[in-house]
Amino acid sequence: DGGITQSPKYLFRKEGQNVTLSCEQNLNHDAMYWYRQDPGQGLRLIYYSQIVNDFQKGDIAEGYSVSREKKESFPLTVTSAQKNPTAFYLCASVRAGMGSAEAFFGQGTRLTVV
Amino acid sequence: AQTVTQSQPEMSVQEAETVTLSCTYDTSESDYYLFWYKQPPSRQMILVIRQEAYKQQNATENRFSVNFQKAAKSFSLKISDSQLGDAAMYFCAYRRNMGGTSYGKLTFGQGTILTVHP
Repeated sequence: DGGITQSPKYLFRKEGQNVTLSCEQNLNHDAMYWYRQDPGQGLRLIYYSQIVNDFQKGDIAEGYSVSREKKESFPLTVTSAQKNPTAFYLCASVRAGMGSAEAFFGQGTRLTVV
Repeated sequence: AQTVTQSQPEMSVQEAETVTLSCTYDTSESDYYLFWYKQPPSRQMILVIRQEAYKQQNATENRFSVNFQKAAKSFSLKISDSQLGDAAMYFCAYRRNMGGTSYGKLTFGQGTILTVHP
């Protein structure tokens, strides 16, 4: 079955560590997005990519980095520069060729700083 | 920059009744798309309904319909005959139409928690 897979489902990070969240899709979608979800603040865009080897900052990119070396993969690294990384992270992708195409979402990764 | 505002943090409805969730947005663009997504307790995001800004007719999907007021930049969601399974967080979202295969930013509102009482 096609879809978006995020891993791990739960992730714990020690202070000062970098961690990488995985997002893989086999839907042949061009555009991919990373969102952060905090209680009462909805979904905030971290980074997005429309094509391999290209990506743009979203509204809260500080402390995060991404890469897009393959169409299927868009990993997110939460660096030690991100002061409050505890949150729920969602990855999404959008199909090419249809302007009103919906975004498909992974099941999310819950990151906790310990 | 475009913004999406949902002014109702929480709403409740009795089973079988109708409820309307509000959404307003701010954009200088004329061609864009609007969406309502549902996030149940599983946290899996599910598309409820979409609207193309160039279409005057309001979108409907079974018990779900929208009231799209382009001039007022308003995009409300009406849920008819509410069911217990409709209980979830609902998000309004906006994406500019950049043409071709360009997508741009997909911007979400803060969300509205809907409770359905039996």
